[in-house]
Amino acid sequence: QAVLTQPASLSASPGASASLTCALRRGIYVSSYRIYWYQQKPGSPPQFLLRYKSDSEKQQGSGVPSRFSGSKDASTNAGILLISGLQSEDEADYYCMIWHNSAWVFGGGTKLTVL
Amino acid sequence: QVQFQQWGAGLLKPSETLSLTCAVYGGSFTGYSWSWIRQSPGKGLEWIGEINDGGSTNYNPSLKSRVTISADTSKNQFSLKLNSVTAADTAVYYCARGLSKFVTDAPGYWGQGTLVTVSS
Repeated sequence: QAVLTQPASLSASPGASASLTCALRRGIYVSSYRIYWYQQKPGSPPQFLLRYKSDSEKQQGSGVPSRFSGSKDASTNAGILLISGLQSEDEADYYCMIWHNSAWVFGGGTKLTVL
Repeated sequence: QVQFQQWGAGLLKPSETLSLTCAVYGGSFTGYSWSWIRQSPGKGLEWIGEINDGGSTNYNPSLKSRVTISADTSKNQFSLKLNSVTAADTAVYYCARGLSKFVTDAPGYWGQGTLVTVSS
């Protein structure tokens, strides 16, 4: 089982909110980890969006709008990237990542379609 | 604003050694961790490894036996060597810098990437 699991795709309408999930493998507890989120558009390198461990320990990437925010759901053992007020420019691939066993581990990515 | 220039062979034959170098401009080299990440065509991101300020390295366990990352602080450069490549190593290879100084931190600033193709 992969360390981090993301849904392959998600669709949402302009102006709506999208909640992208990043589920941690059983036995790895989301409460213990900083969850990092990246956005990647075609032909470009990934861009760091934010990291989230708790409401008191979080960091927004430089120039990243506040409509991108992070949270966690302990009940599903998942990190969450919430994008509010969706815009067409938010259409991209989104990756989560954690530092686990002395290595950076990426989720498989979610392709967000805004239509 | 940190910037990167990557170079290395873009076409390799199976069993050859992939060798890439990343030069860093516009910021301090010391104090940060420096990573290599790759992305196979149409696929997701895979972290290869990193070297930190003190010269210690961490590698992806799945690649560890074939990877060496080194740094030349006098030139503000770091390098990747991946031995015994196969077609599965065909990917865009990115170099990146850690977000924060003096701590292990995520790749926050990325180069544009270099496509490396392995084909006979």
